[in-house]
Amino acid sequence: DADVTQTPRNRITKTGKRIMLECSQTKGHDRMYWYRQDPGLGLRLIYYSFDVKDINKGEISDGYSVSRQAQAKFSLSLESAIPNQTALYFCATSRTSAGNEQFFGPGTRLTVL
Amino acid sequence: GQNIDQPTEMTATEGAIVQINCTYQTSGFNGLFWYQQHAGEAPTFLSYNVLDGLEEKGRFSSFLSRSKGYSYLLLKELQMKDSASYLCAVRDTGGSYIPTFGRGTSLIVHP
Repeated sequence: DADVTQTPRNRITKTGKRIMLECSQTKGHDRMYWYRQDPGLGLRLIYYSFDVKDINKGEISDGYSVSRQAQAKFSLSLESAIPNQTALYFCATSRTSAGNEQFFGPGTRLTVL
Repeated sequence: GQNIDQPTEMTATEGAIVQINCTYQTSGFNGLFWYQQHAGEAPTFLSYNVLDGLEEKGRFSSFLSRSKGYSYLLLKELQMKDSASYLCAVRDTGGSYIPTFGRGTSLIVHP
């Protein structure tokens, strides 16, 4: 079944460490997104990509970077993790045409100590 | 940008009907989505409204009034498995056409 997968599913790290979260999809969608979710704050957009090599900042991009080297893969990096980046991170995909819903990966729970 | 407002939490009884409201303010409306999210899991798509009126899909229906900046999600014949967060997301006519999510409504269904 076409799917959106994320690795790792859980990660505990220390302040100052570099972390990479991976997202892969077999849906053949051009558009991919990274969100973070914090209790009481809903889903907030970090970065998005409409095609390979296309990168756009979202609402809360500071402290994060992304890479889209292939249609099926979109990775999120925290160059120097800090405790307030502790959150649940979701990758999502969607088709190009308007009106199409987003399909979310299972999430990565990141804890920065 | 948008300003999206939903109640934080609601409770209801198994077998009953519940209505979850979402109000929004946007400079150029271009569609509204509802997603369901169980605790610790990924959001999953429920409905999409871009024109005024009611969209029915099984036990779930979604209503939109563009002139009032208002939508609701109606859940009928509630089941325990309907206990989840319900996310309203609004898309505007800005260049990216990416929906902005509200903070979600946590629905608790009790026996």
